[in-house]
Amino acid sequence: GAVVSQHPSRVICKSGTSVKIECRSLDFQATTMFWYRQFPKQSLMLMATSNEGSKATYEQGVEKDKFLINHASLTLSTLTVTSAHPEDSSFYICSARVPLGGSTDTQYFGPGTRLTVL
Amino acid sequence: DAKTTQPPSMDCAEGRAANLPCNHSTISGNEYVYWYRQIHSQGPQYIIHGLKNNETNEMASLIITEDRKSSTLILPHATLRDTAVYYCILTGGTSYGKLTFGQGTILTVHP
Repeated sequence: GAVVSQHPSRVICKSGTSVKIECRSLDFQATTMFWYRQFPKQSLMLMATSNEGSKATYEQGVEKDKFLINHASLTLSTLTVTSAHPEDSSFYICSARVPLGGSTDTQYFGPGTRLTVL
Repeated sequence: DAKTTQPPSMDCAEGRAANLPCNHSTISGNEYVYWYRQIHSQGPQYIIHGLKNNETNEMASLIITEDRKSSTLILPHATLRDTAVYYCILTGGTSYGKLTFGQGTILTVHP
């Protein structure tokens, strides 16, 4: 299957600072990537859809000014958590879409980034 | 809200087949059934998907009932490394490109 990487795998930062997380598709081009968040003992929640060359689409309740998404190339999307606070501590996971034709596609996920805000 | 229903947990003995059920009684005609799994502290891993025919790949088999209202993921010879949360997700059609994760089934494979 397609390979998606994320960097860093873990990050600890102080409250009020910004953190950037990178998501790369290693062996394919992805016009669409997705960002999810997962709190302990909960399921994944979609935060936003990242489209190459255009603005991201955010899910209801996700602050677009706090979670900045940039998808400047077909293999890289970045998520920046601005002015992070302890409640932003979570597991952030990206995925990249591989179209299969017709009305479906498959998403391949990165390994995730564990963010801890002190 | 997730459009699928899965048992919260299941157990399986190592080497035996693991059969994970999923109900999706409101599935629409152009929605696919996808299965992903998530091993602790990792990103989800794609397993298999299907529309109406049964499917098999190197990881698993997917059996979809004729009315498409339910499906079963089969891991033919479960190993300890198959212990994970398994998610059954509908996508395609009007929900094209989006995955809505429910709570999934925690599969524990015992020695």
